[in-house]
Amino acid sequence: DAGITQSPRYKITETGRQVTLMCHQTWSHSYMFWYRQDLGHGLRLIYYSAAADITDKGEVPDGYVVSRSKTENFPLTLESATRSQTSVYFCASRATPEYEQYFGPGTRLTVT
Amino acid sequence: ELKVEQNPLFLSMQEGKNYTIYCNYSTTSDRLYWYRQDPGKSLESLFVLLSNGAVKQEGRLMASLDTKARLSTLHITAAVHDLSATYFCAVVLSSGTYKYIFGTGTRLKVLA
Repeated sequence: DAGITQSPRYKITETGRQVTLMCHQTWSHSYMFWYRQDLGHGLRLIYYSAAADITDKGEVPDGYVVSRSKTENFPLTLESATRSQTSVYFCASRATPEYEQYFGPGTRLTVT
Repeated sequence: ELKVEQNPLFLSMQEGKNYTIYCNYSTTSDRLYWYRQDPGKSLESLFVLLSNGAVKQEGRLMASLDTKARLSTLHITAAVHDLSATYFCAVVLSSGTYKYIFGTGTRLKVLA
């Protein structure tokens, strides 16, 4: 399927577990992003990547790890999940800095 | 630090009425984006504004950008129920970066 996909769409995990959220895009966009969306906070940038093997921190990176070995994939790992990481996570990509971003469908993560 | 403020945060309006959503940002930027989000869904790109004085229109929505005032507006003309959604603006720092900073969103409800 063309576009940007995320998996899983829903995930329930326990405190302390490691969780990986997957993001895949078929456009070969250079730039990819991870956001979390929480009530009262809008969307906050967790990590971003300008190209394969180039990643950098956003506004709220603590507790998260990313990698980008291939242009099309940008997984986000919660190394030891906490309840405060319960959120909806969106992946996004865009071709160049001037273009708008295209968002994936989101992953709703609940940490119990 | 770039801050992006939207107002109002909530807007309830009657069908057929006009209204404007405002997006103010705190530092220099010449790129601004508007997105729509339906409940439980992802974000959909509405407008890309890339220069001072830019105006874009799509159906009942019109967006404009005044970089000198650091202000963008999203004007709704003759609202219909289908426009009910949350609207976000996003600002990018002046050239050299590719990170969006999102406003907190305006939740619009159009009453029949």
